[in-house]
Amino acid sequence: EAGVTQFPSHSVIEKGQTVTLRCDPISGHDNLYWYRRVMGKEIKFLLHFVKESKQDESGMPNNRFLAERTGGTYSTLKVQPAELEDSGVYFCASSQVQLGTQYFGPGTRLTVL
Amino acid sequence: KNEVEQSPQNLTAQEGEFITINCSYSVGISALHWLQQHPGGGIVSLFMLSSGKKKHGRLIATINIQEKHSSLHITASHPRDSAVYICAVPQARHAGGTSYGKLTFGQGTILTVHP
Repeated sequence: EAGVTQFPSHSVIEKGQTVTLRCDPISGHDNLYWYRRVMGKEIKFLLHFVKESKQDESGMPNNRFLAERTGGTYSTLKVQPAELEDSGVYFCASSQVQLGTQYFGPGTRLTVL
Repeated sequence: KNEVEQSPQNLTAQEGEFITINCSYSVGISALHWLQQHPGGGIVSLFMLSSGKKKHGRLIATINIQEKHSSLHITASHPRDSAVYICAVPQARHAGGTSYGKLTFGQGTILTVHP
C-alpha cells in the first residue's frame, strides 16, 4: 500500500511568486490534514479536510493560502503571493477515521527568497 | 505556555543507554501520538495510545491520563535512533456528535546517540 506522497519535495521561489503544493493521501483515507513547521518552531496545524469538505481551516495563516481537495482525493495548497515568513516545511497527513492514526507524507520544504 | 510540553529539548546519549523523553499536556485528549523525524526525513508515527503502555521493539510508550503525562522510552539505544521525537495530541471537539483530530505538537526532542 502506497503511503502519503507530497510534491514537490523542495521548492525555492522568490517573494511574490506563487507556489502550489500537492498531497496524495493513502487511498481510502477520508481525512486529510495540512501542517507546517517554520524554522525553530513546533509543527502547527493548518487545515483539515473530510473528503472534499473543509472541516476546519482555523490554522490557515491568512488569505494568501488556499487549499482544495477536488473529488476528495488529492489536495493542493497554494500560496499566492508568497512571503518570506511562509518558508518552512509543509506536511500532509491522512487518516482513515477522525482521531485515528495519522500517516504523514515526507513534507515539502518551501524556501521563499 | 504551550499546550504540549516536551522535555528535554536536547538529549545526548551513548550507545546502549536507556532513554526517556517526557511529554506533558494541558488539554483533554482521547489519545496521544509519538512521532519520529529523522534528519531530512519525513515524519513517522511510532505510537498512538490512550491508556497504559505500548511496546514496539526497543520502544516503549506509557501514558497517565489522570496526570496528563506520557513518556517514550528507548532501551539499548543505538545511533540509528538519533532523530527528533515529537509528541502530539488531537483536540477533539464535539458538535452534534462530530469530532476531529487536528494535532497539537510539542516542540520536539532532539536525540543524538553516539557510538
